[in-house]
Amino acid sequence: GENVEQHPSTLSVQEGDSAVIKCTYSDSASNYFPWYKQELGKRPQLIIDIRSNVGEKKDQRIAVTLNKTAKHFSLHITETQPEDSAVYFCAAGGGGADGLTFGKGTHLIIQP
Amino acid sequence: EAQVTQNPRYLITVTGKKLTVTCSQNMNHEYMSWYRQDPGLGLRQIYYSMNVEVTDKGDVPEGYKVSRKEKRNFPLILESPSPNQTSLYFCASSPSRGRISYEQYFGPGTRLTVT
Repeated sequence: GENVEQHPSTLSVQEGDSAVIKCTYSDSASNYFPWYKQELGKRPQLIIDIRSNVGEKKDQRIAVTLNKTAKHFSLHITETQPEDSAVYFCAAGGGGADGLTFGKGTHLIIQP
Repeated sequence: EAQVTQNPRYLITVTGKKLTVTCSQNMNHEYMSWYRQDPGLGLRQIYYSMNVEVTDKGDVPEGYKVSRKEKRNFPLILESPSPNQTSLYFCASSPSRGRISYEQYFGPGTRLTVT
């Protein structure tokens, strides 16, 4: 089945700086790559997703890039703000396994 | 309002006492899933269902049961809970069909403590 590795597990950045979270996947047939944000005590919520026919997608301060050859994708957050502090999960789907396979999450800390 | 609901939100129980956590969605989604979330381990899938009367094991199915008699409901059953099932549980639904994946919508979570 699919295996998704996510790094780093914790990321601390200064407010206003950029943050990058990286994920790799194992199933070359996977074609859907969402990113979820989970604030403390709340449910995970989708913030951006990308399909394998696209290399990059951007939505205001967040962007996701996908390298199908290397089987990795990344989340980029620019001009970080305190409200960006949360746990972020990547996931992969559409391949040999049903549903989504999630990474273990990255705790993003924005330092004032 | 389109949503996934779970009940109860919090539950403290004792070892061996059967319990059920309900999950319901009003978006007519075919795909539903249960996850448990533990510190450092991320979201691990327990069971999922691609449609009514179709359920499959996820990564950590031991000690759990599910049923999908209706499209909107997907209850999680712990026949004999043990302390290692203390966790935060999320139900999710998605319009995903087969190998075509879409966003999963999560319920608010159920915090379960087994003593």
